[in-house]
Amino acid sequence: EAGVTQSPTHLIKTRGQQATLRCSPISGHTSVYWYQQALGLGLQFLLWYDEGEERNRGNFPPRFSGRQFPNYSSELNVNALELEDSALYLCASSLDTSYEQYFGPGTRLTVT
Amino acid sequence: AQSVTQPDIHITVSEGASLELRCNYSYGATPYLFWYVQSPGQGLQLLLKYFSGDTLVQGIKGFEAEFKRSQSSFNLRKPSVHWSDAAEYFCAVRHTDKLIFGTGTRLQVFP
Repeated sequence: EAGVTQSPTHLIKTRGQQATLRCSPISGHTSVYWYQQALGLGLQFLLWYDEGEERNRGNFPPRFSGRQFPNYSSELNVNALELEDSALYLCASSLDTSYEQYFGPGTRLTVT
Repeated sequence: AQSVTQPDIHITVSEGASLELRCNYSYGATPYLFWYVQSPGQGLQLLLKYFSGDTLVQGIKGFEAEFKRSQSSFNLRKPSVHWSDAAEYFCAVRHTDKLIFGTGTRLQVFP
């Protein structure tokens, strides 16, 4: 069974640009979660999508947004990039919120 | 507020030695608890989980953890560490739909 996949592996952007990160969940999983792992800040919850809808978001500004497609894959968009957005962005999926979350390998975003 | 504390930032053990990584949580209801492992530059791999029932849970790679409600703890153990276990370990509690993580413990293994 294929795990959670994310693309790209690495992404380099300059301040003010937009970044798009992609995630494909495990087959059959309908919930997708996004987390940010920034140096010194640990792992922080960003967004949760389920059945195509945004269900919850963490304490992040509106320039962090995303969507979930009918095939349950998801996209995270970060607008007006700031230097402090440099981090590893992890996507996870689960059957639903009652179950454990499985993580992908992450996308390393570097903002210069 | 819900929180997870991992008191040890960095632990060093010799290969073959036993290991215990500490995790304390603060949560009002019955917690759903997890341990994940992260190798450098990689994502998180689920080691084990506790939802209910037997308070001693077995996971992958020879790891186990014990849930102690009276101590609000969920410590991770392994009887004999291998060099490949060197990584960062995260304890997490599920709060509604999201995971709240501890700050992690970096494990270094000496031959």
